[in-house]
Amino acid sequence: AQSVAQPEDQVNVAEGNPLTVKCTYSVSGNPYLFWYVQYPNRGLQFLLKYITGDNLVKGSYGFEAEFNKSQTSFHLKKPSALVSDSALYFCAVRDRTSGGSYIPTFGRGTSLIVHP
Amino acid sequence: DAGVTQSPTHLIKTRGQQVTLRCSPKSGHDTVSWYQQALGQEPQFIFQYYEEEERQRGNFPDRFSGHQFPNYSSELNVNALLLGDSALYLCASSRWTENEKLFFGSGTQLSVL
Repeated sequence: AQSVAQPEDQVNVAEGNPLTVKCTYSVSGNPYLFWYVQYPNRGLQFLLKYITGDNLVKGSYGFEAEFNKSQTSFHLKKPSALVSDSALYFCAVRDRTSGGSYIPTFGRGTSLIVHP
Repeated sequence: DAGVTQSPTHLIKTRGQQVTLRCSPKSGHDTVSWYQQALGQEPQFIFQYYEEEERQRGNFPDRFSGHQFPNYSSELNVNALLLGDSALYLCASSRWTENEKLFFGSGTQLSVL
């Protein structure tokens, strides 16, 4: 079984400050990890993924995420937040042993609010 | 290059009715997955289609069915609608051989009254 936990329903940060959105996961094998962003009344947009290799993954819009195997975490980060980053962020995991079809499990989402 | 397109964008139905939602995948993609996202919740996997066959299915009743056409587009059908079926229905496309990255449409907002 695979699962994702996003412990914060909401994260508030001031524009220009660094932001972190937390994610921890559970899989029986090695994980594929993903972050998606969802703006109001829209579908999810892919931000970044971790498959293997460097633990620091860089993605779209200046976001990055750090894979930490010992802590089973994949926190999303950005050095300087923008008001336009305000949205709902979903972490997702897939066990690499799932086979050919990709069925990720999503976390419940974290609402990021960036204040001017 | 069009991304994933879904129609209609909004739909209002009454209990007991049937509904069909449509999805056209991103150009070059051959796999379509459907998700249900209730208000304030994470997307829940319904099923996935590849080569016109249902490949995997989530924990949804048989009232939820689908189809994939030779041009890779897909339909989601829901019979005997319940109030609890009200949600945003998301279609995601990918390549079967590179399916770790999903591209989502904007969704169809279904309201069941």
